[in-house]
Amino acid sequence: DAKTTQPNSMESNEEEPVHLPCNHSTISGTDYIHWYRQLPSQGPEYVIHGLTSNVNNRMASLAIAEDRKSSTLILHRATLRDAAVYYCILRDGAQKLVFGQGTRLTINP
Amino acid sequence: EAGVTQFPSHSVIEKGQTVTLRCDPISGHDNLYWYRRVMGKEIKFLLHFVKESKQDESGMPNNRFLAERTGGTYSTLKVQPAELEDSGVYFCASSPRLRLAGAGETQYFGPGTRLLVL
Repeated sequence: DAKTTQPNSMESNEEEPVHLPCNHSTISGTDYIHWYRQLPSQGPEYVIHGLTSNVNNRMASLAIAEDRKSSTLILHRATLRDAAVYYCILRDGAQKLVFGQGTRLTINP
Repeated sequence: EAGVTQFPSHSVIEKGQTVTLRCDPISGHDNLYWYRRVMGKEIKFLLHFVKESKQDESGMPNNRFLAERTGGTYSTLKVQPAELEDSGVYFCASSPRLRLAGAGETQYFGPGTRLLVL
């Protein structure tokens, strides 16, 4: 499985946008970029995924670099409830998820 | 719609004892996965069922771990005998039958079972 690199931690303020980066320089042409997050004391939950084009859903936006070697998860207005560990995961159709260490996001009131 | 449920939420046992974890997937989901996070480490895949068949058990650490999914509904993960290094959080996830070749189906996780082996 291709690897991803994320900062260990990030901090932001409530109601401000948050940009969570992910580097995946060895991504293959068939790898999809998935994001999951894990809220405290809960299991991981799906956030968003994409292949080449930028994607939006009710939770977040995913901006994918033109060369696909990096991507950014964007939370448009962070709330305290968005404090979590965010995982960037590459999937090539394999069923299992391969988690890295993720980015621990802290939201300040 | 009920989500993935896991039982028990917590378990404290002594080294050498047996523990059985249960997972009830979302109704109708063919795929069921077990993952775990041991202390200080990343979440790791253990195995994957498609209905009652083991599709991928490459992540099972050793033969002390036995997973079953009789009838293709709920699943159990038994650890016998438990060792100290088995302590951690065990997650179950489920997903519907694969429809999107390449993207992979979204996995829905349960809250986990926190296992402590003393």
